[in-house]
Amino acid sequence: TQLLEQSPQFLSIQEGENLTVYCNSSSVFSSLQWYRQEPGEGPVLLVTVVTGGEVKKLKRLTFQFGDARKDSSLHITAAQPGDTGLYLCAGVHAGGTSYGKLTFGQGTILTVHP
Amino acid sequence: NAGVMQNPRHLVRRRGQEARLRCSPMKGHSHVYWYRQLPEEGLKFMVYLQKENIIDESGMPKERFSAEFPKEGPSILRIQQVVRGDSAAYFCASSPDENYGYTFGSGTRLTVV
Repeated sequence: TQLLEQSPQFLSIQEGENLTVYCNSSSVFSSLQWYRQEPGEGPVLLVTVVTGGEVKKLKRLTFQFGDARKDSSLHITAAQPGDTGLYLCAGVHAGGTSYGKLTFGQGTILTVHP
Repeated sequence: NAGVMQNPRHLVRRRGQEARLRCSPMKGHSHVYWYRQLPEEGLKFMVYLQKENIIDESGMPKERFSAEFPKEGPSILRIQQVVRGDSAAYFCASSPDENYGYTFGSGTRLTVV
């Protein structure tokens, strides 16, 4: 079983602060995806990282995939109250009969106070 | 996420009844996934289907749960003889193939009373 450990589970910060969320596994994934979920809605895909060492930026969000493709991080610069939500990392299984199946981390609940 | 349609949004069932959850994938998407989420937790994989085929049902309980994705019509997740522990949000996602990120529906929140 390929597990993803996501940390921290809860994060409460003030507007303007920076933060980093981590996603770690002992297994290798072919790619990693980050989602954001609002209450009462389904997760929305933010980014997919595929290549070891890859860095992607989405405005104030920076995503990195570890060189060994076992870990990933999400860094938010100058957080805003609109960034509040549940952030989920998910790894894509490679090969076998279930290529494309996602394993999710347990999520990070981010609260940004004005 | 208007692309993947799930219904109903909320479903209340008494213990022992059947629950049927429907999912219409985005147009052109032939891969459907069902996930279950408990409050403030991540999503747990249940089943992965393509048209008329179950590809992976390793996350689905062996009893009372079944899923299908017929040639015509939506994918159905069926829970027979529901128990309180089945109360959760059930999300469906679709993708055009294994290499693309998912598009999720808004979920069905099942409450068993």
